[in-house]
Amino acid sequence: GAGVSQSPSNKVTEKGKDVELRCDPISGHTALYWYRQSLGQGLEFLIYFQGNSAPDKSGLPSDRFSAERTGGSVSTLTIQRTQQEDSAVYLCASSPGPLNTEAFFGQGTRLTVV
Amino acid sequence: AQSVTQLDSQVPVFEEAPVELRCNYSSSVSVYLFWYVQYPNQGLQLLLKYLSGSTLVKGINGFEAEFNKSQTSFHLRKPSVHISDTAEYFCAVSTPNQAGTALIFGKGTTLSVSS
Repeated sequence: GAGVSQSPSNKVTEKGKDVELRCDPISGHTALYWYRQSLGQGLEFLIYFQGNSAPDKSGLPSDRFSAERTGGSVSTLTIQRTQQEDSAVYLCASSPGPLNTEAFFGQGTRLTVV
Repeated sequence: AQSVTQLDSQVPVFEEAPVELRCNYSSSVSVYLFWYVQYPNQGLQLLLKYLSGSTLVKGINGFEAEFNKSQTSFHLRKPSVHISDTAEYFCAVSTPNQAGTALIFGKGTTLSVSS
């Protein structure tokens, strides 16, 4: 597709369950980001992949959060043992190269933990 | 590490009035600066960006921003707003000389335009 694609668009899960969120970046983009958007908190940086370099995981809020990027393309964000405070919109973005001249965003996955 | 501060969380204005949304950044190295807009129930869209060159950059929908290195600011302006400009606006920074560093956003400013 032409843009960044995220799935699912909405996810409701029970507290304690694990969830996987998927991101398909724009073809050829080497950089991929995950952000969390909560009301009043703006975009909270979670993790950043650039090419084959080790990802910048400095934004992950706890060890329940992890992400991988297979083959330099699709990425999956996994949240284990979900908590109610994990409820938010999770946004993925991709960028053409390492200098971050522009990031293109997906529509996000709205996660609700009940 | 770089950071971004958006000084106003909410800005209410009347239609056809001018508006300025303020953004200050902190970085010990040179930066790229961005403004993104998020309309209700939509994704983020790039409004404009400063990479180098002229410090006054023009974006879509009549918005412009000025990079001021001495004041570490990148304020967004529009001379006359429309109802359709109601949205959340995010300022962001990245560091071009440090490949592999993330794009960092401020907490956002909600612009509410009323008639």
